[in-house]
Amino acid sequence: GDSVTQMEGPVTLSEEAFLTINCTYTATGYPSLFWYVQYPGEGLQLLLKATKADDKGSNKGFEATYRKETTSFHLEKGSVQVSDSAVYFCALRRQGGGKLIFGQGTELSVKP
Amino acid sequence: GAVVSQHPSWVICKSGTSVKIECRSLDFQATTMFWYRQFPKQSLMLMATSNEGSKATYEQGVEKDKFLINHASLTLSTLTVTSAHPEDSSFYICSASWGGTGANVLTFGAGSRLTVL
Repeated sequence: GDSVTQMEGPVTLSEEAFLTINCTYTATGYPSLFWYVQYPGEGLQLLLKATKADDKGSNKGFEATYRKETTSFHLEKGSVQVSDSAVYFCALRRQGGGKLIFGQGTELSVKP
Repeated sequence: GAVVSQHPSWVICKSGTSVKIECRSLDFQATTMFWYRQFPKQSLMLMATSNEGSKATYEQGVEKDKFLINHASLTLSTLTVTSAHPEDSSFYICSASWGGTGANVLTFGAGSRLTVL
């Protein structure tokens, strides 16, 4: 079945460091791919998305490119801030809608 | 933008009682809503898919008599945890689909933290 695998956390970085959180997926067809962020005690917020191969989603300095050949959707940010500390979830959704399938989440902690 | 409101945001109840959690789409009609459960430091587990006017579709392993889902209107879905026990303590999150048939965007509520004593 469809699945999403993320790199394990927690990831601890200093402020202004470069961030990469790896995400790979297994799915038939051409799913849409998402990154969601969850701040402490809150629900999920959509961070960015990509709906087809080679699309790049971007928001708030975060980027991720839909790589069909490597079935990946790695999240990157050039310079993280303390306020980026949160749990990040990679997810996919099949063509035509339906449920989201989440990765296990990666906790990011950014220190001043 | 699309907003999903969940209520209550946190609730504490005694073992054996029932708790209802509401999920409302505030500025759009949600034909489909999803209910997730999240354990501490873990990912979200889909519990059920709720379609307006029909019975919810439960994921394997989720007790439908334990977790009652009602989607009576296009803007409201409710999850009732019946005869709650401490092991039901968790973070429950709903999401709603918007944007038309096969829509690709899901908006999440802020979640409801249930603690059963």
